[in-house]
Amino acid sequence: QVQLQESGPGLVKPSETLSLTCTVSGGSISSYYWSWIRQPAGKGLEWIGRIYTSGSTNYNPALKSRVTMSVDTSKNQVSLKLSSVTAADTAVYYCARDGAAYGDYAVDAFDIWGQGTMATVSS
Amino acid sequence: DIQMTQSPSAMSASVGDRVTITCRASQGISNYLAWFQQKPGKVPKRLIYAASSLQSGVPSRFSGSGSGTEFTLTINSLQPEDFATYYCLQHNSYPRTFGQGTKVEIK
Repeated sequence: QVQLQESGPGLVKPSETLSLTCTVSGGSISSYYWSWIRQPAGKGLEWIGRIYTSGSTNYNPALKSRVTMSVDTSKNQVSLKLSSVTAADTAVYYCARDGAAYGDYAVDAFDIWGQGTMATVSS
Repeated sequence: DIQMTQSPSAMSASVGDRVTITCRASQGISNYLAWFQQKPGKVPKRLIYAASSLQSGVPSRFSGSGSGTEFTLTINSLQPEDFATYYCLQHNSYPRTFGQGTKVEIK
């Protein structure tokens, strides 16, 4: 079955760029959308944005100026870069499958999530 | 942005109770709504998709209803393993938005 695994440095300094990767195993990333979501400790879930395997993206306006997502179909990976980080960006970051481009989109929307990776912004 | 207002934000319930959680969208989202369960330190788990379709493997005591702006998650006969935080998510438009969560605690 399809599994997602996030990876990246656990500690980032303020004003630097947070870089995370989501590796998809057990299936192809092609023809699906992939979203990033984050959750600060003890708080709710925030959608960051999503990317399609063509490279087209949709970002949360609240983060848009600092977010870049990319896809590497040869490695079955999607990536997230968040620039100019502050302590407010400290959170668990999840990637999730965000539906199929063909057929009934809702069936696969947010059905599979990675285990999440903790990113701490601190000097 | 579409605001998702979830209520209540917390509740106490007993095993065997029927629990109802509501999500109200600030504008119509058709049936592009999902419900998630999250336990402490765990990954959100999708329970319901397309407002009322039960995720495979999820017990039938969970059900969802609604369309447009008003949605409900119902848990019939609450079980010990159901004590958790529940979130709704609209994926009709951008940005996707979650409800603030409902924490279901043991009475």
